[in-house]
Amino acid sequence: DGGITQSPKYLFRKEGQNVTLSCEQNLNHDAMYWYRQDPGQGLRLIYYSQIVNDFQKGDIAEGYSVSREKKESFPLTVTSAQKNPTAFYLCASSIVDSYGYTFGSGTRLTVV
Amino acid sequence: RKEVEQDPGPFNVPEGATVAFNCTYSNSASQSFFWYRQDCRKEPKLLMSVYSSGNEDGRFTAQLNRASQYISLLIRDSKLSDSATYLCVVNGEDSSYKLIFGSGTRLLVRP
Repeated sequence: DGGITQSPKYLFRKEGQNVTLSCEQNLNHDAMYWYRQDPGQGLRLIYYSQIVNDFQKGDIAEGYSVSREKKESFPLTVTSAQKNPTAFYLCASSIVDSYGYTFGSGTRLTVV
Repeated sequence: RKEVEQDPGPFNVPEGATVAFNCTYSNSASQSFFWYRQDCRKEPKLLMSVYSSGNEDGRFTAQLNRASQYISLLIRDSKLSDSATYLCVVNGEDSSYKLIFGSGTRLLVRP
């Protein structure tokens, strides 16, 4: 079955560490997105990519980095510069020029 | 002002009740509108798109009022399984097909 897979489901990070969240899709979607959700808040866009080897900053890109070397994969690195990284991270994909998003099941990141 | 605003709730209703949620959006140029459902600690899932003339999907009815810049969702004959957070979503300002999510309205349906 086609879908979008995020891993790990839960991730613990120590202060000062970089961590990378995986997002893989086999839907043949060109566009991919990373959102962050904090308790009681809506999703906020971190980065998005509409084509391989190209990506754009969203509303809250500071402290994060991404790459898009393959169509299927859009990993997100949470760097030590991100001062408040504890959140629920959601990856989504869609065909280009469409609002039909498919979401992954999310990664819950906690700083310990 | 937030781009998409919703009453956080919770709305606590008995089974069988009719409940309505509203949402307001700030960008008068927005063209695409959606309601997503999010269960606790899960990813959001598309419930329905919202069309200018209003649309219905079973027990769910969505309405759009462009003049007042608000969107509504009506749920009839509430089921226990309707308990979730309902996210109001509109398209972003540019042509990149980004979505702007509201913070959600929580619904609790009790037996």
